[in-house]
Amino acid sequence: DQQVKQNSPSLSVQEGRISILNCDYTNSMFDYFLWYKKYPAEGPTFLISISSIKDKNEDGRFTVFLNKSAKHLSLHIVPSQPGDSAVYFCAASARYTNAGKSTFGDGTTLTVKP
Amino acid sequence: KAGVTQTPRYLIKTRGQQVTLSCSPISGHRSVSWYQQTPGQGLQFLFEYFSETQRNKGNFPGRFSGRQFSNSRSEMNVSTLELGDSALYLCASSLLTSYGYTFGSGTRLTVV
Repeated sequence: DQQVKQNSPSLSVQEGRISILNCDYTNSMFDYFLWYKKYPAEGPTFLISISSIKDKNEDGRFTVFLNKSAKHLSLHIVPSQPGDSAVYFCAASARYTNAGKSTFGDGTTLTVKP
Repeated sequence: KAGVTQTPRYLIKTRGQQVTLSCSPISGHRSVSWYQQTPGQGLQFLFEYFSETQRNKGNFPGRFSGRQFSNSRSEMNVSTLELGDSALYLCASSLLTSYGYTFGSGTRLTVV
C-alpha cells in the first residue's frame, strides 16, 4: 500500500507559466511534508516543507499548499523556468522531528519548455 | 561548503558477499539517514542515526545494518547479498532531525 502518491509521472509546461505538482497521502499520522527536486546523477535536493499546522508555505517562486481534509498537497512553481526541469518528489513524515524517516512518492518529472 | 559524500560511487558484488557503504555528512550535520532506491519500489527508508544512536529503522531484513561514528560519518552494511539488493543507496544528512535533508549522489550497488 503506497502511502504517498504522485499520480502524474510527468508534467510539461511552457516557460513563464505555472507548474502545479500534486501529491496525495493516505496515512493520517503524517503531519510534516517536504518537496525535493532531483537532477540526473545527483541526489534529491530539499526544496520546501510544510507542517500540518499551516495550509500554505512560500519560498520565492515555490509555494506548497496543504489540504489536510483531502490529504492532498501541491507544489506551485511560478514562473516556471527551464532550470526547474527535474524530478520532483513529495515526502511525508509523522512529526517534523522525524523528517529523516520520510515516506516518498514515486516522483513527477517536470519539463519546462523554453 | 562540501556536500554529502558517499563512497564508493559504484560497486559490483557477488551473491552471498557482504558490502559496506560509507557516507560523510555535511560538516556540522548530526543526523544521517539512509534510503534504498529501486525502479520498482522508489525511495525506501532504511535507517536514521542521530549522535551515534539509531533513531528509526525501516522495514528491511536484519542483513541491513548501519552505524554512525562520533564524527557523524556513517556506514551501512549489507550481509549475504541477494540479487534484489541491487539498487542505488542514498545517504542524507541534516543539522537536526527536522528540516529538509541534503542527499548525496548515492552508491550504485549491483549484485551479480
